[in-house]
Amino acid sequence: QIVLTQSPAIMSASLGERVTMTCTASSSVSSSYLHWYQQKPGSSPKLWIYSTSNLASGVPARFSGSGSGTSYSLTISSMEAEDAATYYCHLYHRSPPMTFGGGTKLEIK
Amino acid sequence: QVTLKESGPGILQPSQTLSLTCSFSGFSLNTSSMCVVWIRQPSGKGLEWLAHIWWDDDKRYNPALKSRLTISKDTSSNQVFLKIASVDTADTATYYCARMPYDYYVMDYWGQGTSVTVSS
Repeated sequence: QIVLTQSPAIMSASLGERVTMTCTASSSVSSSYLHWYQQKPGSSPKLWIYSTSNLASGVPARFSGSGSGTSYSLTISSMEAEDAATYYCHLYHRSPPMTFGGGTKLEIK
Repeated sequence: QVTLKESGPGILQPSQTLSLTCSFSGFSLNTSSMCVVWIRQPSGKGLEWLAHIWWDDDKRYNPALKSRLTISKDTSSNQVFLKIASVDTADTATYYCARMPYDYYVMDYWGQGTSVTVSS
């Protein structure tokens, strides 16, 4: 069973600051099936980045994703107030077929 | 326009069976390579995958909960159902359903969620 570990669990960033959060898999995974979701309080998660590096529709270009093997990351080039949220990585794998990371809560400093 | 909406009992007692319905529009589970997923989230905690069902009725369950879960679908009414047997307080959560096409196994549309409380 593959475990996804997100770090840090909580982080704060100033407006305009570059932000990077990571998702580490316990074994090598396919980058095609590693995705990120954004969730704000009281709302359902939204698809944010799919297949490691593809931005979902409507996601600002300041967001980017990268990674391979066991290490994946989500980066915001310049933090904006609307980016404060919790971000979850998600993997589709063979067995069990689905797993989520524990989330990274991004706050404004 | 793709939409999904969950419905459930709101509150139920320990040992009862939780029945959830996901009603969707804008796509069909008759369509090859389409899937609906159930996920839950206890208040203040992370996301937990529960089960999913494919257009061809292939079903997958979270191994930790498999003995208590039953997923099914009614393609004619565009609904997917999830039953969780023998609930206890640990099953208190918001329950979401989401659409997952085969392309990248990504959940591209989510419902708003339904809150379920297990309490005596």
